[in-house]
Amino acid sequence: AQTVTQSQPEMSVQEAETVTLSCTYDTSESDYYLFWYKQPPSRQMILVIRQEAYKQQNATENRFSVNFQKAAKSFSLKISDSQLGDAAMYFCAYKTRQGGSEKLVFGKGTKLTVNP
Amino acid sequence: GAVVSQHPSRVICKSGTSVKIECRSLDFQATTMFWYRQFPKQSLMLMATSNEGSKATYEQGVEKDKFLINHASLTLSTLTVTSAHPEDSSFYICGGGTDTQYFGPGTRLTVL
Repeated sequence: AQTVTQSQPEMSVQEAETVTLSCTYDTSESDYYLFWYKQPPSRQMILVIRQEAYKQQNATENRFSVNFQKAAKSFSLKISDSQLGDAAMYFCAYKTRQGGSEKLVFGKGTKLTVNP
Repeated sequence: GAVVSQHPSRVICKSGTSVKIECRSLDFQATTMFWYRQFPKQSLMLMATSNEGSKATYEQGVEKDKFLINHASLTLSTLTVTSAHPEDSSFYICGGGTDTQYFGPGTRLTVL
């Protein structure tokens, strides 16, 4: 079974600085998706970024980018120019593309604090 | 991204009563929806997979008679917590989508 590990329960960053959140996963599959979701205090889960495993190019969405290392099974999220609104729980998630289940496998999350 | 609505956002009920939570996909058709439970400061825990026109698939340890799921149309899935007890108090979230899963805003259930 696939597993997702987020080794940093909490992280903090100064406003306007850059922070990187770590995520590693374990799978025997070759085709899958990886996601970062943000959950602010409102508790609404918001998609931050998605990466298809077959794509070598790292996904980018404005100030958010990933470092996808397929061989190392690593999928870190970099937040540049951090803003107060980035403060939230961040969850890394895995989803197979090989048919069958559409379930997401979540990590335990990283709580990000942004200091003014 | 796709939009998922969830209603109610908050509900308080007495022990022994049943509570229904609705999850709607507003701009896409969902043959599958997922129901999660989230305890404070924890990750989402998948409870069940709702399948349109067929029975839901429950995760191990989830009581199917307590958490009734109905997926009667391609845009609506419901979770009914039957004979609710204080230990059922939690935050419930639904999600749906094909390649990417999008989530409703959640329902905070408090059982007195």
